[in-house]
Amino acid sequence: AQTVTQSQPEMSVQEAETVTLSCTYDTSESDYYLFWYKQPPSRQMILVIRQEAYKQQNATENRFSVNFQKAAKSFSLKISDSQLGDAAMYFCAYRVRIQGAQKLVFGQGTRLTINP
Amino acid sequence: DGGITQSPKYLFRKEGQNVTLSCEQNLNHDAMYWYRQDPGQGLRLIYYSQIVNDFQKGDIAEGYSVSREKKESFPLTVTSAQKNPTAFYLCASSIGRDRGNTEAFFGQGTRLTVV
Repeated sequence: AQTVTQSQPEMSVQEAETVTLSCTYDTSESDYYLFWYKQPPSRQMILVIRQEAYKQQNATENRFSVNFQKAAKSFSLKISDSQLGDAAMYFCAYRVRIQGAQKLVFGQGTRLTINP
Repeated sequence: DGGITQSPKYLFRKEGQNVTLSCEQNLNHDAMYWYRQDPGQGLRLIYYSQIVNDFQKGDIAEGYSVSREKKESFPLTVTSAQKNPTAFYLCASSIGRDRGNTEAFFGQGTRLTVV
C-alpha cells in the first residue's frame, strides 16, 4: 500500500525565520513523484514544489526547498524567510503508476502558523 | 481559460438520497481524481481514473461510485450507503504521463452537507 505520513499536525514559526515540515512515505516502487501542496483558507490547492524520485538533486523554488532522502523515504519541506502569506495547510503527496493508472496519495497535512 | 470546474459549490442532501457531484476539465488531461477532505484533515482518495471507461478504487471508495464516459468529465455519486457523507470534496486532474510537467490541478471543491 502507498501511504504518506506527516507527523506534525501543527507548526508555528516567527516571520522571517525558517521552518521545516516533515513527510515520510511508504512504497515498494522505484519510480515516483513527490509534491508539496499548500491549501490556504480559500481551500484552493496550490503546488509549492515537486521532486522526481529519479533525480538526486533536491528541488528548490525560491524560498522553498526540499530534503529528499530516497533510502529513508523522507521528503521534508523547508521554508526560508517565512512570510505571513505562507500561513496555510501544507500537504505532502506521492504519485506512482500502478497497473497503468497514476495514483496520487496525500498525507494528513500540517497547519503552519506564521507569527508576526 | 483552461481549468477544472466542480459544481455545485454547496450541496445539501437528505439522508437516504443519492447525489452526484460534477467535475469537468478542459485541460486535455488523462488522469482524474476524487478526494474527500474532513475538517482539519488530509485528502483521502476516493476514486481515480487514467482513461475513459476505466477507473480504480482509492482508499475510501465504499459508498461512492464514479463514471468516466468522456475524457473531460468524471462525476462522483455519493450513495445512500455512505454513512457519513458530509465533507468537502475535491476533484483533480493531471496529464497522466510519467515524465514532464505532471502536477495535479484542482477544482474549487464542493461542500456536501446531509440534512
